[in-house]
Amino acid sequence: SQQGEEDPQALSIQEGENATMNCSYKTSINNLQWYRQNSGRGLVHLILIRSNEREKHSGRLRVTLDTSKKSSSLLITASRAADTASYFCATDGIQGAQKLVFGQGTRLTINP
Amino acid sequence: KAGVTQTPRYLIKTRGQQVTLSCSPISGHRSVSWYQQTPGQGLQFLFEYFSETQRNKGNFPGRFSGRQFSNSRSEMNVSTLELGDSALYLCASSLEPFRGNTIYFGEGSWLTVV
Repeated sequence: SQQGEEDPQALSIQEGENATMNCSYKTSINNLQWYRQNSGRGLVHLILIRSNEREKHSGRLRVTLDTSKKSSSLLITASRAADTASYFCATDGIQGAQKLVFGQGTRLTINP
Repeated sequence: KAGVTQTPRYLIKTRGQQVTLSCSPISGHRSVSWYQQTPGQGLQFLFEYFSETQRNKGNFPGRFSGRQFSNSRSEMNVSTLELGDSALYLCASSLEPFRGNTIYFGEGSWLTVV
């Protein structure tokens, strides 16, 4: 079963626009990680945000975490065609080990 | 440094056969975990290994097994293959199974069962 739920399931925008994806989860977490997956490929790690952090940046990526609402968002600014991919959030419970629980992902399409 | 390496990348098996997939973690990483990805169920945790010991196991039947070697390399095995085992199998590694470590994934092994 999936703990996380990404919203929207699919997003299509024009190149240069910003893309925002949301993730909600059910149980307390230690940290939350965002991954990108190009079609048929493995997962590429984007950002890890710890439960005591509220915001984190990496290049054109901005991740926020609201533990009171059990939600996170990933913002990609100035999108490029190469950003077309599926994006997943993954959580690990405080009580667990290195066991990630993934959402169903957001399929992002950047139109040139 | 090299990333997580999985072999083979693609394979086709017949129902009833068994398959072994291999994973070499990033150099220095001692924790290895495996995930199954299917269109219907998404990404699901299979198991996690550290210091040659299985620490956690997901909700999969006993046909799915794995092991880790002293050099941290890992293998997973699926016996008596079923059509529903067709999936992308992803291996991930991290420094150690303590909280806060980034988990890196390989390119995966595509298994098709016919």
